[in-house]
Amino acid sequence: SAVISQKPSRDICQRGTSLTIQCQVDSQVTMMFWYRQQPGQSLTLIATANQGSEATYESGFVIDKFPISRPNLTFSTLTVSNMSPEDSSIYLCSVWGGNGYTFGSGTRLTVV
Amino acid sequence: SQQGEEDPQALSIQEGENATMNCSYKTSINNLQWYRQNSGRGLVHLILIRSNEREKHSGRLRVTLDTSKKSSSLLITASRAADTASYFCATDADSGYALNFGKGTSLLVTP
Repeated sequence: SAVISQKPSRDICQRGTSLTIQCQVDSQVTMMFWYRQQPGQSLTLIATANQGSEATYESGFVIDKFPISRPNLTFSTLTVSNMSPEDSSIYLCSVWGGNGYTFGSGTRLTVV
Repeated sequence: SQQGEEDPQALSIQEGENATMNCSYKTSINNLQWYRQNSGRGLVHLILIRSNEREKHSGRLRVTLDTSKKSSSLLITASRAADTASYFCATDADSGYALNFGKGTSLLVTP
């Protein structure tokens, strides 16, 4: 199965700033998924990122707030823009590796 | 959007006992998977059961799937303190599609 390197593992950010989260996969994958996990909650899909096309966002998530890049088949970034304390969550990327889904180790974001 | 519900939301047992968690979902699925998450870290894939399967085993794990009732259960036998974690079920409409996660069960195993 694929291996994902996700960075940073955690960060504390000031409100109004932006943070970019990176996921590097050790193999080429068509789709990458970005999830948010708010404190004490389950995972919610933010968007699906295909290489060479715009990401597809789920209801409640918009590109201006969560811009995603997918420059090639092994890499993607998610930016959390103009952050507020409500954005404090764990953000995870995931890929389908053919035999199952693999998740990054997550980015724990705290906005103060 | 979240697909279903886990039951119970929290479970506390002693080492050596069995732990059973249930998951219900709402729409047709391709696969159902169970994941473990320790202390808000990344997810660990435990087991996948396909929609045409009814039961699957992996070590101390046993998963059942009842597509007529849109429900699944995860049984952990002879639990250990290291099994303390949150457990989530997740479904996909097709392989390679995004997962829909249940709300999770928080399991505490005390020595």
